[in-house]
Amino acid sequence: GAGVSQSPSNKVTEKGKDVELRCDPISGHTALYWYRQRLGQGLEFLIYFQGNSAPDKSGLPSDRFSAERTGESVSTLTIQRTQQEDSAVYLCASSLDRVVDEQFFGPGTRLTVL
Amino acid sequence: AQTVTQSQPEMSVQEAETVTLSCTYDTSESDYYLFWYKQPPSRQMILVIRQEAYKQQNATENRFSVNFQKAAKSFSLKISDSQLGDAAMYFCALRRNTPLVFGKGTRLSVIA
Repeated sequence: GAGVSQSPSNKVTEKGKDVELRCDPISGHTALYWYRQRLGQGLEFLIYFQGNSAPDKSGLPSDRFSAERTGESVSTLTIQRTQQEDSAVYLCASSLDRVVDEQFFGPGTRLTVL
Repeated sequence: AQTVTQSQPEMSVQEAETVTLSCTYDTSESDYYLFWYKQPPSRQMILVIRQEAYKQQNATENRFSVNFQKAAKSFSLKISDSQLGDAAMYFCALRRNTPLVFGKGTRLSVIA
């Protein structure tokens, strides 16, 4: 596709359940980022993949959060044993590999934990 | 640590008028990049304008321009001839060799 896509668009789950969020980056983009946006807040960095390098996981808020990326393609963000404070919009972005390169964002997944 | 502060949670502007959104930041680096992103209700983050810190000239993109004051660590966005479609959340962001660090945003309303 032409842009970054994310699925599902919305996800409602019960506290304690696991969820998986998917991101399809722009073809050819070596860098992929996950951000979390709580209601009325800015974006918080979660994790960053760059090519075949070890991911930068410094933004993950707890060990309930994990992410994988296969090569330079799809990434999955997994949240285990969801809590109500995990409710947020989860945004994925991709870019070429230079700092100056624009990050292109997907439309996000709105996660609601009941 | 890098931080970005947007002190105006909400702003409003009359259609066709000019508005300035403020942003200050803190970083110990001398070389970095600054960005303004727009987020309409669709949630899609859209890059509005970027500025390389080593460039003294302020970036301009059509009706959007910045006032970059490196010594003061200030990076304001000016929107000229405001249009109804400019209504959105605007986020200031900073980047070095790390993912973007965002401010909390300014909600801009445009009054017809």
